[in-house]
Amino acid sequence: GIQVEQSPPDLILQEGANSTLRCNFSDSVNNLQWFHQNPWGQLINLFYIPSGTKQNGRLSATTVATERYSLLYISSSQTTDSGVYFCAVERDTNAGKSTFGDGTTLTVKP
Amino acid sequence: DAGITQSPRHKVTETGTPVTLRCHQTENHRYMYWYRQDPGHGLRLIHYSYGVKDTDKGEVSDGYSVSRSKTEDFLLTLESATSSQTSVYFCAISEGAWYGGYGYTFGSGTRLTVV
Repeated sequence: GIQVEQSPPDLILQEGANSTLRCNFSDSVNNLQWFHQNPWGQLINLFYIPSGTKQNGRLSATTVATERYSLLYISSSQTTDSGVYFCAVERDTNAGKSTFGDGTTLTVKP
Repeated sequence: DAGITQSPRHKVTETGTPVTLRCHQTENHRYMYWYRQDPGHGLRLIHYSYGVKDTDKGEVSDGYSVSRSKTEDFLLTLESATSSQTSVYFCAISEGAWYGGYGYTFGSGTRLTVV
């Protein structure tokens, strides 16, 4: 099956700093999503981004499908950004069966 | 937020007993999914459904069965619970398949402990 690798596994920032999280995948995909899991365990969909660039406030994401990676940018980080960030991918030949990476744990210190 | 609720939120059960977890949605979404989350493994797909009575297996389906007799309910059953099934279980819904650009919405999770 498809392999998904996220880096770095852990990231510690001071409030106000910027960060870039990376998601590499081993094969072509048709669906890629980024999620944030907050410290209370709730999973929130951030972006559906199989290709191109999207922005939502301080967060933006870029997927370069031909090179099999996606980046999540967090600018001016806040303590509420802490948690685990997951990317998940899906292929048309395996529709409905998303594969998640192991996540990047972000800690933003005040 | 989409209306999706999981029940129970927490459960402790004994090895060998059957357990059923419920996912209920009020969004009339076609797709529903069950994932488990374990330390070091991220989320792994157990089963998913693409319509009433239409289900398919995920990567970790052994020991689990599902049923979807109504659009709004997706049940996950552990036929005979084992300690390896201690985990946090998440349900997710989506309005359509990937080609429609539909993202997932997750429930709050069920923490299951098998003793």
